[in-house]
Amino acid sequence: DAMVIQNPRYQVTQFGKPVTLSCSQTLNHNVMYWYQQKSSQAPKLLFHYYDKDFNNEADTPDNFQSRRPNTSFCFLDIRSPGLGDAAMYLCATSRDPPRGETQYFGPGTRLLVL
Amino acid sequence: AQSVTQLGSHVSVSEGALVLLRCNYSSSVPPYLFWYVQYPNQGLQLLLKYTSAATLVKGINGFEAEFKKSETSFHLTKPSAHMSDAAEYFCAVNPLKAAGNKLTFGGGTRVLVKP
Repeated sequence: DAMVIQNPRYQVTQFGKPVTLSCSQTLNHNVMYWYQQKSSQAPKLLFHYYDKDFNNEADTPDNFQSRRPNTSFCFLDIRSPGLGDAAMYLCATSRDPPRGETQYFGPGTRLLVL
Repeated sequence: AQSVTQLGSHVSVSEGALVLLRCNYSSSVPPYLFWYVQYPNQGLQLLLKYTSAATLVKGINGFEAEFKKSETSFHLTKPSAHMSDAAEYFCAVNPLKAAGNKLTFGGGTRVLVKP
């Protein structure tokens, strides 16, 4: 089945130690998104790629970066994780255009910062 | 900026009872609207979406939602709750003027189903 895969499902890192989360997709969608979801909150969009064009949200901290080496893979890099970065990180994909396309989500990676 | 409001952060229903989750959007131009469900420690799964076709939209797992332009609402219903419906539900909007398919989510409603 076509899907969005995130690895690992759980990631533990230390305060200030760089960490990378990965996402892959077999849907061949040209748009990929990264969301941060803190406990009992709605997902918050960090950035998205439209093909190789990177689009950062205005309030995304500089500590968060992303790479998309090809259509299938996208990475979220947190350069110096703080305690406040502990959250679920969700990857999603969609086609674009046309507008109104469904976003397909991966299972998420839960990040714990010690 | 366009926003989405979900009334009630928690809803408790008895098994077999009606599930009603409320969603209102702010826009003079109807956007595209979505309902997603999230089970614990999982990603979001699409239940249904409105993209300016039929105003009554049927989704998976017996859910449906009705788009009412006059009320700027897109409430989600299910006639008979099942234990497996216990989850968090998010209403989301894709504003017509937003780039691409970016979504703005409501705050979410957690549903508890009592036996």
